[in-house]
Amino acid sequence: SAVISQKPSRDICQRGTSLTIQCQVDSQVTMMFWYRQQPGQSLTLIATANQGSEATYESGFVIDKFPISRPNLTFSTLTVSNMSPEDSSIYLCSATIRHTNTGELFFGEGSRLTVL
Amino acid sequence: AQSVAQPEDQVNVAEGNPLTVKCTYSVSGNPYLFWYVQYPNRGLQFLLKYITGDNLVKGSYGFEAEFNKSQTSFHLKKPSALVSDSALYFCAVRTEGFQKLVFGTGTRLLVSP
Repeated sequence: SAVISQKPSRDICQRGTSLTIQCQVDSQVTMMFWYRQQPGQSLTLIATANQGSEATYESGFVIDKFPISRPNLTFSTLTVSNMSPEDSSIYLCSATIRHTNTGELFFGEGSRLTVL
Repeated sequence: AQSVAQPEDQVNVAEGNPLTVKCTYSVSGNPYLFWYVQYPNRGLQFLLKYITGDNLVKGSYGFEAEFNKSQTSFHLKKPSALVSDSALYFCAVRTEGFQKLVFGTGTRLLVSP
């Protein structure tokens, strides 16, 4: 398994501000992903974080709103920009690990954002 | 396209009774199937997976799941439920060579004392 550390674990933010979430993995990572879980909902993939290059975004998500960086193999950040109350969600970092080739994801504890 | 269906929003079971949480899937190609559990205010924890081999796979906390190719199902089971099993359960699928996991909508399991 892997330990995935996310911070902040929760935050209360004002409308119009931006917040950056950090994710650190303690194992050799193959892929990293960012998911959003809106209240009472399932997980929606935001993007695949690519090392040293632009992230690959899913339909409905754009770089201007959710800029993502992955400067090295085990670290990534997600910024939620110009927040509105609709952005109140849990944001989850996840990764697949090099020694498991079957693709199970390991998740961080999530970052619970509340936008007022 | 890959998809997963969890037909029950909630499953209620009494402690000590067997439990089943249902999942059906749709993929092109051979499926890789997963179950995750989410406790309140926590991230997702991996429970078990089916890649190939025996149709009955065993996982963490006494859970198991049965892969049924003809019915395209991967139901989660446990012979004797515990109150501490109460949580949100997600089924997920991917195919070989396709890295992204697609998640179902989740099923809330409530185990009563």
